[in-house]
Amino acid sequence: GDSVTQMEGPVTLSEEAFLTINCTYTATGYPSLFWYVQYPGEGLQLLLKATKADDKGSNKGFEATYRKETTSFHLEKGSVQVSDSAVYFCALSSSGGSYIPTFGRGTSLIVHP
Amino acid sequence: KAGVTQTPRYLIKTRGQQVTLSCSPISGHRSVSWYQQTPGQGLQFLFEYFSETQRNKGNFPGRFSGRQFSNSRSEMNVSTLELGDSALYLCASSSSIRDTQYFGPGTRLTVL
Repeated sequence: GDSVTQMEGPVTLSEEAFLTINCTYTATGYPSLFWYVQYPGEGLQLLLKATKADDKGSNKGFEATYRKETTSFHLEKGSVQVSDSAVYFCALSSSGGSYIPTFGRGTSLIVHP
Repeated sequence: KAGVTQTPRYLIKTRGQQVTLSCSPISGHRSVSWYQQTPGQGLQFLFEYFSETQRNKGNFPGRFSGRQFSNSRSEMNVSTLELGDSALYLCASSSSIRDTQYFGPGTRLTVL
C-alpha cells in the first residue's frame, strides 16, 4: 500500500538557517504530493502541493520538488524564522485506487532566535 | 471565504459516555473527511462523506460513526468512550472527492 516516510525530529535550527525536511514515498501510479504544517494547538494547514513529476510547489518561502525518479518530495526553506516552529507533515494522494491521503508521522521543527 | 469550523474545540468526557463532534466545511465544499490524531499513531483516517453518503471508511470499530447533512455539515459520534479515544479529531473538507483537503482546527477530546 501507499506510504510516506519522513525524517525523524525534532529538527532544531537557529534563525536564518537553511531547512531541509526529507520525505520519500511509496505509491502506485502518479500520486499528488503535499506538505501540511500544524502550529501548536491548531489543525493542519496546506503549505504547498505538487501534482506531477518535476513540479515545484512553493509558498511562504518554502519549496518542494516532486522527484519521481527518487520518489521524494523534500521540503526546503532558505532562511527559517522563529515563527516557522511547527510540525510538518508530508502526504500523498494516489491517482488510482484509494485517494484518501496518506500522511507521514510528522517532523517537529524548532527554531531558536 | 471562511475556513472549516469545528465545535466544540475542547471536550472532557468519562469512560462509557458518548460524544458528538460537529464540522462545518468551507462554503461550497461537499466532501468531509474525519481523522484521529494521537502522538502514538499519528494521523489516522476515520471516514469520508460526500453528498450525505459515506464513501470511504478507515479501520476503526463500529463505536465510531458519522453522518453528513444536506448542507454538507457533518457530525461524528463516538459511543462507549474508552481512554484510548483521547485524541485530536480533525475534520477536512474538499470541493469534491479527490480534491485537496483543507483542515479545521480540530476538537481535543479527553476521556477520563
